[in-house]
Amino acid sequence: DIVLTQSPATLSVTPGDRVSLSCRASQSISNYLHWYQQKSHESPRLLIKYASQSISGIPSRFSGSGSGTDFTLSINSVETEDFGMYFCQQSNSWPQTFGGGTKLEIK
Amino acid sequence: QVQLQQSGPELVKPGASVRISCKASGYTFTSYYIHWVKQRPGQGLEWIGWIYPGNVNTKYNEKFKGKATLTADKSSSTAYMQLSSLTSEDSAVYFCAKHYDYFDYWGQGTTLTVSS
Repeated sequence: DIVLTQSPATLSVTPGDRVSLSCRASQSISNYLHWYQQKSHESPRLLIKYASQSISGIPSRFSGSGSGTDFTLSINSVETEDFGMYFCQQSNSWPQTFGGGTKLEIK
Repeated sequence: QVQLQQSGPELVKPGASVRISCKASGYTFTSYYIHWVKQRPGQGLEWIGWIYPGNVNTKYNEKFKGKATLTADKSSSTAYMQLSSLTSEDSAVYFCAKHYDYFDYWGQGTTLTVSS
């Protein structure tokens, strides 16, 4: 199985900061990497598909980059509504797997 | 609009079975995969398996073979997941999600508590 390792586990930031969240795959997955946001007691929400493609309705401050094994989710000027958990997911091979998540919290 | 409406919370005894439902609306149910995902409290997401309602083909994570059984009813656009021989390790929130390589729509989640 492909292992996705997200770092850091927790990121403490101030509203207005620019942040970068990392997701590293145990083998190359091309661009078959997707990002989700999950707030407490809610379902995950798709933010970015195929590493860098935007999703309708998602604020433009969210962007993704990377290919192969290293991927980054960037949030340009974090807002208070952005705090929560972020997960990456790979669809390159079965079983499709998720990263362990990064918790974005208010400093 | 696309919606996936899951059944309510369940409290069941160890050793029992439970069936969770996921009713789809707003799209052609038979044209997209429905996946099931497990999330234990404070933990990450774990893929259980998928069902393609168009031909009811299924695929399971090896870890969940024998534990989960996926079915679908085209007439009601509802997908089901049955979990058997329940233990405390099965206590979790279970999500269904519509899938197109990525998970674009999710159900609200069903909380399963296994306790005597």
